[in-house]
Amino acid sequence: NAGVTQTPKFRILKIGQSMTLQCAQDMNHNYMYWYRQDPGMGLKLIYYSVGAGITDKGEVPNGYNVSRSTTEDFPLRLELAAPSQTSVYFCASSYQLRYEQYFGPGTRLTVT
Amino acid sequence: EDKVVQSPLSLVVHEGDTVTLNCSYEVTNFRSLLWYKQEKKAPTFLFMLTSSGIEKKSGRLSSILDKKELFSILNITATQTGDSAVYLCAVYNNNDMRFGAGTRLTVKP
Repeated sequence: NAGVTQTPKFRILKIGQSMTLQCAQDMNHNYMYWYRQDPGMGLKLIYYSVGAGITDKGEVPNGYNVSRSTTEDFPLRLELAAPSQTSVYFCASSYQLRYEQYFGPGTRLTVT
Repeated sequence: EDKVVQSPLSLVVHEGDTVTLNCSYEVTNFRSLLWYKQEKKAPTFLFMLTSSGIEKKSGRLSSILDKKELFSILNITATQTGDSAVYLCAVYNNNDMRFGAGTRLTVKP
């Protein structure tokens, strides 16, 4: 099993550009999450999904969008990138909500 | 507003020392508290706690939850350089989850 995979590993965006961060898991988990982690801080939940076709906002959803068309994939879309979105983004999945989460390796995004 | 506070923010010890990391929380409808270890990349799971007073143990690491006083501790005995990492605490309620800022532990040889 590959677990949770994320692409790309690194990306530099110019202000106003858009991009999609990809996340996939092969553990057949229903629950998937997107977090951002700023330097020296814990993780903040952006969006989560409890199954295909169902998504919900987390603590910091502004400036982001998600979709969940399959159990395996949970892409995160950034529209009109801003410097405040410079961060490391982690995708995670879990068998049940609020239980142990498995994290992907992260995407380091810089917006300049 | 729900919050999770970890202390200390950073800690430097020598190999063989014992350390105690703290996580206090204020959340409505508490469901569970999880500890993660984060080295250079993604967090990895250590413990999940849902009941007060029941110690979870894995090798040199152990953790316990006090739901009356709203905190958890993570103990590491006989520390090794490989224990150097950021330790994150996450608290879950019915609808949301909050992570603390983490404790950065550095273990010197």
